[in-house]
Amino acid sequence: AQSVTQPDIHITVSEGASLELRCNYSYGATPYLFWYVQSPGQGLQLLLKYFSGDTLVQGIKGFEAEFKRSQSSFNLRKPSVHWSDAAEYFCAVGLGGGGNKLTFGTGTQLKVEL
Amino acid sequence: NAGVTQTPKFQVLKTGQSMTLQCAQDMNHEYMSWYRQDPGMGLRLIHYSVGAGITDQGEVPNGYNVSRSTTEDFPLRLLSAAPSQTSVYFCATRGQGKGYEQYFGPGTRLTVT
Repeated sequence: AQSVTQPDIHITVSEGASLELRCNYSYGATPYLFWYVQSPGQGLQLLLKYFSGDTLVQGIKGFEAEFKRSQSSFNLRKPSVHWSDAAEYFCAVGLGGGGNKLTFGTGTQLKVEL
Repeated sequence: NAGVTQTPKFQVLKTGQSMTLQCAQDMNHEYMSWYRQDPGMGLRLIHYSVGAGITDQGEVPNGYNVSRSTTEDFPLRLLSAAPSQTSVYFCATRGQGKGYEQYFGPGTRLTVT
């Protein structure tokens, strides 16, 4: 069965520092990959997605992610974190026709120190 | 254009009670899904629908029923609530074809005592 692993439950970074959130997946075929962000008490907002083509994808709010097939990874990065980036981040694999069914990782809680 | 709406926002039930969580969308999306979010477990798929009249089970379907009589609505029914169903429930929709993201509603926080 497919699975998504986010090995870091909590991460703390200083404002202005760079950020990398890790995501590894287990899935036999070419996956649809997503990163979502959730602010406290809110729903999920899509940051970026990968389906095919260029393995480095750009998203909203200055985030990017790189798909590495050999490592089964889809890590999220941001060169300079802002205090407003504090939130929970979820990596997800989409299955089914076009990625209808999402399997989520357990999330990484990001804290930003001023 | 409201996107995806969910009602109620909060609900407290007693064990054994039944209720329906409502989800509505005005984006004319074919795909709709229900997820539950529990601390430390991410979101897990309960049921999904690929169009009116078609539903299927996800990862954690037990204790929940769904139906899809219209494109716009996808209610989730708890037949006999249990404390293990205390969770935050999210409805999501997706357009048809590759490359379409899922749009999530604001969630319903359910507590079963």
